[in-house]
Amino acid sequence: GENVEQHPSTLSVQEGDSAVIKCTYSDSASNYFPWYKQELGKGPQLIIDIRSNVGEKKDQRIAVTLNKTAKHFSLHITETQPEDSAVYFCAATGRNTGFQKLVFGTGTRLLVSP
Amino acid sequence: SQTIHQWPATLVQPVGSPLSLECTVEGTSNPNLYWYRQAAGRGLQLLFYSVGIGQISSEVPQNLSASRPQDRQFILSSKKLLLSDSGFYLCAWRSLNNSPLHFGNGTRLTVT
Repeated sequence: GENVEQHPSTLSVQEGDSAVIKCTYSDSASNYFPWYKQELGKGPQLIIDIRSNVGEKKDQRIAVTLNKTAKHFSLHITETQPEDSAVYFCAATGRNTGFQKLVFGTGTRLLVSP
Repeated sequence: SQTIHQWPATLVQPVGSPLSLECTVEGTSNPNLYWYRQAAGRGLQLLFYSVGIGQISSEVPQNLSASRPQDRQFILSSKKLLLSDSGFYLCAWRSLNNSPLHFGNGTRLTVT
């Protein structure tokens, strides 16, 4: 089945710096890649997603890039702010489950220091 | 707009007691429904998912079961809780395959 690996597990940056989180996936037929932000005690919230027919997508300070050949995708956060501190999860959906399930990475804890 | 309700927010139960967590979705019909568990500081483990009333797929063998008695209602149950059932339980829905997955606010279960 699909396997998603996420790195790093923790990331500390200074306010205003950029942060990059990377994920790899195993199923070459995967075609949907969302990113979630989870704040303490809450459910994950979708922040951006990308489909396999697109190489990059931006939404203000957040961008996601996808390299289908290498089977990896990345989340880029520019001009980080303390409120960006949270746990971020990547996910992918694969052919083996009829695209019914999302397989999640293990999460990255981002800490933005003022 | 669509909303997802999950309750209770927190729950403390003794070992051996039963469990029933409920999740309902509003503003959509025939959603795919999911139950995830998140251990402290860990990732998201898919427990069950359902693509229709009465249709339940189990991902891992465990002490839990799921039911979908109505189109927009998803219930997670156990007859006898174990200490290892403690965790953060999240319900989620999506309208179609490959569409965004939307999570509820979760139930923090502590089994003592």
